[in-house]
Amino acid sequence: GESVGLHLPTLSVQEGDNSIINCAYSNSASDYFIWYKQESGKGPQFIIDIRSNMDKRQGQRVTVLLNKTVKHLSLQIAATQPGDSAVYFCAENMGDDKIIFGKGTRLHILP
Amino acid sequence: KAGVTQTPRYLIKTRGQQVTLSCSPISGHRSVSWYQQTPGQGLQFLFEYFSETQRNKGNFPGRFSGRQFSNSRSEMNVSTLELGDSALYLCASSQGQNNEKLFFGSGTQLSVL
Repeated sequence: GESVGLHLPTLSVQEGDNSIINCAYSNSASDYFIWYKQESGKGPQFIIDIRSNMDKRQGQRVTVLLNKTVKHLSLQIAATQPGDSAVYFCAENMGDDKIIFGKGTRLHILP
Repeated sequence: KAGVTQTPRYLIKTRGQQVTLSCSPISGHRSVSWYQQTPGQGLQFLFEYFSETQRNKGNFPGRFSGRQFSNSRSEMNVSTLELGDSALYLCASSQGQNNEKLFFGSGTQLSVL
């Protein structure tokens, strides 16, 4: 997962700036990685995914980067908007189709 | 298509009781996974069912159990509730058995007093 300890890391970003959320995954055998967004009172929602044979994938305003050498995953959100305020989770398929989530990062948008 | 539906939305129980939570997946989805979410531990994997068979299980005690029916609907049960079982229980469904693109319900908030 992307954090250790009991506290949820927080990232504060000015509206309109780019956000970068980082995640360290645990299993070298993981072959599929996903980013989810969870808004208050809702379940996590799929944002974007990437397979281990890729190192970059782009979506609408979002880009996921994968560095298998250091087992690192990042989510970049371009031109951050107030609606991007949420908790973001990275998740990995451990190779047996069991999807394991990191502890999450809270993205806070500054006006 | 309707999304993943979880019932009830909120539940209050006392220690020692048992509870059953229900999940209706998206129509056509055959895989259902359950997660426990707490502020301290984040999202922890409980178990996953595909075509009525438990395929994967997380590191939870035997008090936590589940099942899946032929219509893909799933239930999870927690017996002999403890205070530490207070959490948001999330159900997610996916179309295939590789669990790409999980679709989550809004969860059942369980409070154990």
